[in-house]
Amino acid sequence: DTAVSQTPKYLVTQMGNDKSIKCEQNLGHDTMYWYKQDSKKFLKIMFSYNNKELIINETVPNRFSPKSPDKAHLNLHINSLELGDSAVYFCASSQTTGLAGGETQYFGPGTRLTVL
Amino acid sequence: AQKVTQAQTEISVVEKEDVTLDCVYETRDTTYYLFWYKQPPSGELVFLIRRNSFDEQNEISGRYSWNFQKSTSSFNFTITASQVVDSAVYFCALSRGTQGGSEKLVFGKGTKLTVNP
Repeated sequence: DTAVSQTPKYLVTQMGNDKSIKCEQNLGHDTMYWYKQDSKKFLKIMFSYNNKELIINETVPNRFSPKSPDKAHLNLHINSLELGDSAVYFCASSQTTGLAGGETQYFGPGTRLTVL
Repeated sequence: AQKVTQAQTEISVVEKEDVTLDCVYETRDTTYYLFWYKQPPSGELVFLIRRNSFDEQNEISGRYSWNFQKSTSSFNFTITASQVVDSAVYFCALSRGTQGGSEKLVFGKGTKLTVNP
């Protein structure tokens, strides 16, 4: 029943490790996104993919690499984790209508990443 | 550049009070979309409303209402007869209206609403 799901919900790891967060949507949408919410609750776009093609890459360090194996999945891999990567990462999806844009984005439950 | 300002960082009210959350936006686009999302203490982001720049009609959904005024670049959100379950962080967001979609949401910093019993 879950529309946009993320795993894991919590991730605690040491500095320098590599980790991945998975996202899946069953809404039949063709666009998926990653957002980062920092400790002050500020939400900022990181990436978006449309039909497995990278559309937005918002000056994110190249330690972050999104991968979209198909339209329903968008995973986020992070290399060499740093303390500053601690945040909540949200996946979202929307359906491109090809008209005037501005489609509603539906969010997953978030993954809280803590880097020690 | 697009920008969303939510000047109220925190608001605290007593149950049954009405409360208005302010949102002011900046954009050079003529076509754009405005959104409100709710983030309850459990952490998920819940979509509340989407409004395009050509539709200035106010909207009411139960105890929630939205006032969109292009003249002042504002998209304010009012909760009537607030309840404890309304306690959450509320985000206003803006996206461009470009053909093909896939536009990012630009969020305000959020307003934390606490409704006390």
